[in-house]
Amino acid sequence: DAGITQSPRHKVTETGTPVTLRCHQTENHRYMYWYRQDPGHGLRLIHYSYGVKDTDKGEVSDGYSVSRSKTEDFLLTLESATSSQTSVYFCAISPDRGTAEQYFGPGTRLTVT
Amino acid sequence: RKEVEQDPGPFNVPEGATVAFNCTYSNSASQSFFWYRQDCRKEPKLLMSVYSSGNEDGRFTAQLNRASQYISLLIRDSKLSDSATYLCVVNRDSSASKIIFGSGTRLSIRP
Repeated sequence: DAGITQSPRHKVTETGTPVTLRCHQTENHRYMYWYRQDPGHGLRLIHYSYGVKDTDKGEVSDGYSVSRSKTEDFLLTLESATSSQTSVYFCAISPDRGTAEQYFGPGTRLTVT
Repeated sequence: RKEVEQDPGPFNVPEGATVAFNCTYSNSASQSFFWYRQDCRKEPKLLMSVYSSGNEDGRFTAQLNRASQYISLLIRDSKLSDSATYLCVVNRDSSASKIIFGSGTRLSIRP
C-alpha cells in the first residue's frame, strides 16, 4: 500500500471554528489532492497540488484553502467550518500529471455541529 | 445530468455468478478511464485502467465503448470478497482538475 496517512481520522467541531486536516506521504509523489465524499455525489475535488507551493482549485474549493510547504505534506484548512462541510475527506497522491491513477489515504471523517 | 453516471444498485448476486455494470460519460473528449473499488468506510483503491481494446485482469474485464460513451466492468465467478462499491472514473484531459468520479455502484455477493 502507498504510504499515505491522514490526521486526524475523526473530528467533531463547531460551526465557525477553523479546522486543518493533514495529509502526509512517504512516496515522494509530485501530485497531491484533497477530495470530499458525500452520499450521492461521489468524490469531488477540492484542491490539488502539483509541487511545493504550487496549488490549484478544484470543483468545490469555496470555503477551503490549502498549503504545501514540503513535498510530503498537504494541508487542507476550513477557514470557518459550516455544517455543509460535514463530510469524509480523502487525500490522494499520484506521480504523474493529471492522472486518475491515484492512491488514497484512509480518510478523515469530519462532523460540523 | 451528471457528467459520469452509474446505476447505484445495489446489485445482489449469488457467489459464483457473473455480474456486469456500466458507467456512462457525457463528454466525448474524455481521454482515460478507470475502475476503483471502495469497501465500506474505507478509501477507494484503483482496480484497473480501461483501455480502448478492452482489458482483463483475472476475473475482471473492463471495456470501453467510445461510440456510445460508456465503460463496463464484468466480474466472473464472483466471490464474497468482491462485495464493495465500484467507482467509475473519467479523465477529461490531462489536467488534474478534470478527473470525474462517478457515485458508485454497490455490489453485494451472497453465499
